[in-house]
Amino acid sequence: NAGVMQNPRHLVRRRGQEARLRCSPMKGHSHVYWYRQLPEEGLKFMVYLQKENIIDESGMPKERFSAEFPKEGPSILRIQQVVRGDSAAYFCASSGLVSETQYFGPGTRLLVL
Amino acid sequence: GQQVMQIPQYQHVQEGEDFTTYCNSSTTLSNIQWYKQRPGGHPVFLIQLVKSGEVKKQKRLTFQFGEAKKNSSLHITATQTTDVGTYFCAGEMTGANSKLTFGKGITLSVRP
Repeated sequence: NAGVMQNPRHLVRRRGQEARLRCSPMKGHSHVYWYRQLPEEGLKFMVYLQKENIIDESGMPKERFSAEFPKEGPSILRIQQVVRGDSAAYFCASSGLVSETQYFGPGTRLLVL
Repeated sequence: GQQVMQIPQYQHVQEGEDFTTYCNSSTTLSNIQWYKQRPGGHPVFLIQLVKSGEVKKQKRLTFQFGEAKKNSSLHITATQTTDVGTYFCAGEMTGANSKLTFGKGITLSVRP
């Protein structure tokens, strides 16, 4: 029973490039959440999606960041024109029902040079 | 907006000592969850508390939800080196659509 999967685990980008982070939720889960964690900081909520719908994107920066969770395939967090301040660990979590426990993936560590 | 606070951010204890940390919300919560993150790892769910005044135990860990459902505590009895990590509380606001608000966490180190 595979857990939440994220890839890549580590991603290095130069300023101005695009970063694509993928998340496959736990089997049977249709709710996906993305969080960002800066070094020695807590988890900051970014966006909550269900299949094909963005439910809450109140934590997403207004520019350069977008997320999707298509009918088929993983959820994607896309960061365009990355800047050094985007360097962080990005965690994805999934849940089965709207108020159930969230299970976290291993995260993608993004480093922007 | 809703805030979930965990103070302090770091605590150091001697192995064998007890440890207690608190989590406070600015608003009433429908439930509160606790997670543990080991260095370099990802958050792992520990427990969820739903009822006012609820107490749950997991071996040496005791979790409590306040009567007003605005605060919670985590108590570890006789800490061990395996307890090191960052403990996050996360609150779900009453009426919200399950968005969890995480505290900044408390990082526990244990001296052997």
